[in-house]
Amino acid sequence: QSVLTQPPSVSGAPGQRVTISCTGSSSNIGAGSDVHWYQQLPGTAPKLLIYGHTNRPSGVPDRFSGSKSGTSASLAITGLQAEDEADYYCQSYDSSLTGVVFGGGTKLTVL
Amino acid sequence: QVQLVQSGAEVKKPGASVKVSCKASGYTFTSYDINWVRQATGQGLEWMGWMNPNSANTGYAQNFQGRVTMTRDTSITTAYMELSSLSSEDTAVYYCARCGRDSSGYYCDYWGQGTLVTVSS
Repeated sequence: QSVLTQPPSVSGAPGQRVTISCTGSSSNIGAGSDVHWYQQLPGTAPKLLIYGHTNRPSGVPDRFSGSKSGTSASLAITGLQAEDEADYYCQSYDSSLTGVVFGGGTKLTVL
Repeated sequence: QVQLVQSGAEVKKPGASVKVSCKASGYTFTSYDINWVRQATGQGLEWMGWMNPNSANTGYAQNFQGRVTMTRDTSITTAYMELSSLSSEDTAVYYCARCGRDSSGYYCDYWGQGTLVTVSS
């Protein structure tokens, strides 16, 4: 059971928009801890996709965007491409656990 | 360029210990934390703990308290993660990651390639 809750899977057709939610609590996202997102392509290490809710590292397309509201955050992907098929994880910091926490991950399938 | 290169795959028997290394290059080793995260086959990411290479301070996830030790050798910019009393449930890919805190929070911007640890009798 992950501290941050994500849907196990989402899917969309090429060109469509999908969103992935990440729900936390008053000890992490609700306490003001920033949310970060990672993309993990099959057989590879996670890659930082979004940091500080909304910021994209250099090289990440602007098709990827993040937002936060209350105790939840969301990752949006527009103009879906086949290469976006991957697992996506949200991450924050939990003050009660005094450590990093991850969501359980969401598998994105491009139909 | 920033690189984290991990040691190779390991096969261990139940009850044994494993020590995984993470060689950092391309940045000032003591300026960022090293975190360790593991992933069992088909499962999600599980945070194990962090280490500050400058102070050697550490913080471990509750699930690993008493069983994990994170150390470093600054002379060779290498971090280590040792996990003891292994069981089959510890079979996983172990990742090191460069992490730090700025105005955007605490996050990990570079990851090692992963080290597969298999625990089998």
